[in-house]
Amino acid sequence: AQSVAQPEDQVNVAEGNPLTVKCTYSVSGNPYLFWYVQYPNRGLQFLLKYITGDNLVKGSYGFEAEFNKSQTSFHLKKPSALVSDSALYFCAVRDGTYNTDKLIFGTGTRLQVFP
Amino acid sequence: EAEVAQSPRYKITEKSQAVAFWCDPISGHATLYWYRQILGQGPELLVQFQDESVVDDSQLPKDRFSAERLKGVDSTLKIQPAELGDSAMYLCASSPVTRSYEQYFGPGTRLTVT
Repeated sequence: AQSVAQPEDQVNVAEGNPLTVKCTYSVSGNPYLFWYVQYPNRGLQFLLKYITGDNLVKGSYGFEAEFNKSQTSFHLKKPSALVSDSALYFCAVRDGTYNTDKLIFGTGTRLQVFP
Repeated sequence: EAEVAQSPRYKITEKSQAVAFWCDPISGHATLYWYRQILGQGPELLVQFQDESVVDDSQLPKDRFSAERLKGVDSTLKIQPAELGDSAMYLCASSPVTRSYEQYFGPGTRLTVT
């Protein structure tokens, strides 16, 4: 079965420092991987996706993610964190089995950026 | 920019009552999803529609939950009777038919069952 794991419940980083939010995956076949962000009492906002192509994917708000097939990882990164980046981040993989395109989400990582 | 609309945003109901949520996807999006997000967890799919047809409802508790998308546009998710464990955020998402893996989420409905 397809799955993703986010090993950190919370990541703390000072404003201006680089940030990394970790995600590992387990899929059969080629992975379709996604990052979403959720602000309090809001729905999920799409950040970026990896389908195929370059291993470094660029997305919204200055975020990027690196796909590493050998380590089965898809870590989210940003060179310089902002206080406004503080939110809940979800990694997800497309199921793709049978006729469904449902997303399988990780448990989420809360990012806290301190001034 | 087109968005997925959901209503109500918040709903408080008593145990054993009926409750319904509404979703209007982005215009032209053929695929519609209902997810449930329990506090502290990632969303989990309840049901997926392709136009008016159900594609996947394997995780929908069919003894109390029902979902419909009669004209292949907007959709309603109903719970009857509600239970305490149904307290969660209910998220609707839609995707275009040519890129069905790109899902756009609405703001969600926060349900509290007392």
